[in-house]
Amino acid sequence: AQSVAQPEDQVNVAEGNPLTVKCTYSVSGNPYLFWYVQYPNRGLQFLLKYITGDNLVKGSYGFEAEFNKSQTSFHLKKPSALVSDSALYFCAVRDEEGDSWGKLQFGAGTQVVVTP
Amino acid sequence: EAGVTQFPSHSVIEKGQTVTLRCDPISGHDNLYWYRRVMGKEIKFLLHFVKESKQDESGMPNNRFLAERTGGTYSTLKVQPAELEDSGVYFCASSQDGRLARELFFGEGSRLTVL
Repeated sequence: AQSVAQPEDQVNVAEGNPLTVKCTYSVSGNPYLFWYVQYPNRGLQFLLKYITGDNLVKGSYGFEAEFNKSQTSFHLKKPSALVSDSALYFCAVRDEEGDSWGKLQFGAGTQVVVTP
Repeated sequence: EAGVTQFPSHSVIEKGQTVTLRCDPISGHDNLYWYRRVMGKEIKFLLHFVKESKQDESGMPNNRFLAERTGGTYSTLKVQPAELEDSGVYFCASSQDGRLARELFFGEGSRLTVL
């Protein structure tokens, strides 16, 4: 069965510094990976996805993620963090059971705190 | 264009009572999903509708949970009777096509507190 892990409960970074949120996955077939973000009192918002193709995926709000097959990782990155990036970030993988692309398995989430 | 809307935003009930959560997906989205996040843990899939049909309900925890989507528009999720462990945030999401890797559009969630 597939799984996704976010090893850090919280990441603290100063504004202007690079931001990395880690995610590792385990799948038996092809990995279909997603990042979502939840801002305070808001629903989850899609950031980016990896289906196939280039290992570096660019998404919304200046975020990008690097798919690394050998390390089974899909870390989220932003070169220069903003205070407004403070939010809860979820990594997700498509559930391999069934044919629904919307059936995702989420990680536990990583709280990002960007300080001025 | 209106996003996914959920009602109520927060519900506080006592153990044994009934609660009904409602989700209005984005207009034209045939695919509707329910997820929940319990006690700050992972967000877990509950079920998937395609129009009015249940495509996948493998994540429904037990028969105290009943989801409907009459007419293929809005959906309701009823918990009856509610138990303490049902407390959490229930998210609804919709998408245009459930067969492709399209993004999910989530609502703000309905927080359920069972006392």
